[in-house]
Amino acid sequence: GIQVEQSPPDLILQEGANSTLRCNFSDSVNNLQWFHQNPWGQLINLFYIPSGTKQNGRLSATTVATERYSLLYISSSQTTDSGVYFCAVASSNYKLTFGKGTLLTVNP
Amino acid sequence: GAGVSQSPRYKVAKRGQDVALRCDPISGHVSLFWYQQALGQGPEFLTYFQNEAQLDKSGLPSDRFFAERPEGSVSTLKIQRTQQEDSAVYLCASSLGGYNSPLHFGNGTRLTVT
Repeated sequence: GIQVEQSPPDLILQEGANSTLRCNFSDSVNNLQWFHQNPWGQLINLFYIPSGTKQNGRLSATTVATERYSLLYISSSQTTDSGVYFCAVASSNYKLTFGKGTLLTVNP
Repeated sequence: GAGVSQSPRYKVAKRGQDVALRCDPISGHVSLFWYQQALGQGPEFLTYFQNEAQLDKSGLPSDRFFAERPEGSVSTLKIQRTQQEDSAVYLCASSLGGYNSPLHFGNGTRLTVT
């Protein structure tokens, strides 16, 4: 099956800093989504982005499908951004495969 | 409701007991998924429904796991004769339909088998 690697595994930031999270995948995809899991366990869908670039407030994402990677960019980080960020992909169907996530801690 | 609703939020079961976990998807969402999340890991696919039809159950770990969605809305994941390795968070997600729709997750049910 498709392999998903996320980096870095852990990231600690001071409030106000910017960060870039990376997701590499082993095969072509037609479905890629980024999620944020907050400290209470709730998974929030951030982006559906199998290709191209999208922005939503302080967050933006870019997927370069031909090179099999996606980036999630967080600007002016806030303590509420803390949690685990997951990339999930599917190559030919609905069955999303999740990476192991990036644990982000934003300190005040 | 506005989001995916799951109940109970927490469930403690003694080994060998049967449990039933409920998922109420977003109204109008055709697709419904169950995922299992172990501590420190990403969610793993269990099963997929399109309306009332269970189109894929390839991720169910054993025949002790059973899922249904009889009227194409609420879904129940049942685990018979629970084992300690079944302890995990069970997540339900729904989407409008098709494989290219954003997935919306519920808060999950944390199952602990003692």
